[in-house]
Amino acid sequence: GAVVSQHPSRVICKSGTSVKIECRSLDFQATTMFWYRQFPKQSLMLMATSNEGSKATYEQGVEKDKFLINHASLTLSTLTVTSAHPEDSSFYICSATGTSGLDTQYFGPGTRLTVL
Amino acid sequence: AQKITQTQPGMFVQEKEAVTLDCTYDTSDPSYGLFWYKQPSSGEMIFLIYQGSYDQQNATEGRYSLNFQKARKSANLVISASQLGDSAMYFCAMREDSIYNTDKLIFGTGTRLQVFP
Repeated sequence: GAVVSQHPSRVICKSGTSVKIECRSLDFQATTMFWYRQFPKQSLMLMATSNEGSKATYEQGVEKDKFLINHASLTLSTLTVTSAHPEDSSFYICSATGTSGLDTQYFGPGTRLTVL
Repeated sequence: AQKITQTQPGMFVQEKEAVTLDCTYDTSDPSYGLFWYKQPSSGEMIFLIYQGSYDQQNATEGRYSLNFQKARKSANLVISASQLGDSAMYFCAMREDSIYNTDKLIFGTGTRLQVFP
């Protein structure tokens, strides 16, 4: 099956610093990658959709200047949380779909961010 | 209005028994896909099963089957012969396949399944 990796799996940072999370499709080319945020005991909230080589499309209410997304290649997308604050602490999870259109989304293992 | 509704916040089932997790959806799009994902305590989202709106037969994948009732707009997940390792959160999701869609998934609130010996 399709494998998506995320790095790091867990990160703790100080308030005001920036954190970069990587999402990679390991055995397929991902034309579209999605970034989600999940609060404890809640469902996944879509933050943005990114297509390789173009700007990400952010969901309403998500600050694009705070959550920078780059999808530079067909196998890599990055999410940078800039000037992180404690309220940004959450579980961030990415997913990817392949090139054949209307594909199943395969998810990475997630990154737990804690901002002190 | 909720597009995906999972009315069971928690379910218990005894090992080796079957269990049904409910999911209803709402869409006016004639073409859509329905998905079930499993999220264990580790956090990863594991794809279980997919049903397309035009599929004539219910989807099956090993111990997982999807009871698709289009007229009722329901897509219940049936897990047969439950195992202790099935204990997890289960999310139902829908993708509307219109030309304006960007493959976005809409998730339900999830059902926590606990399998006991």
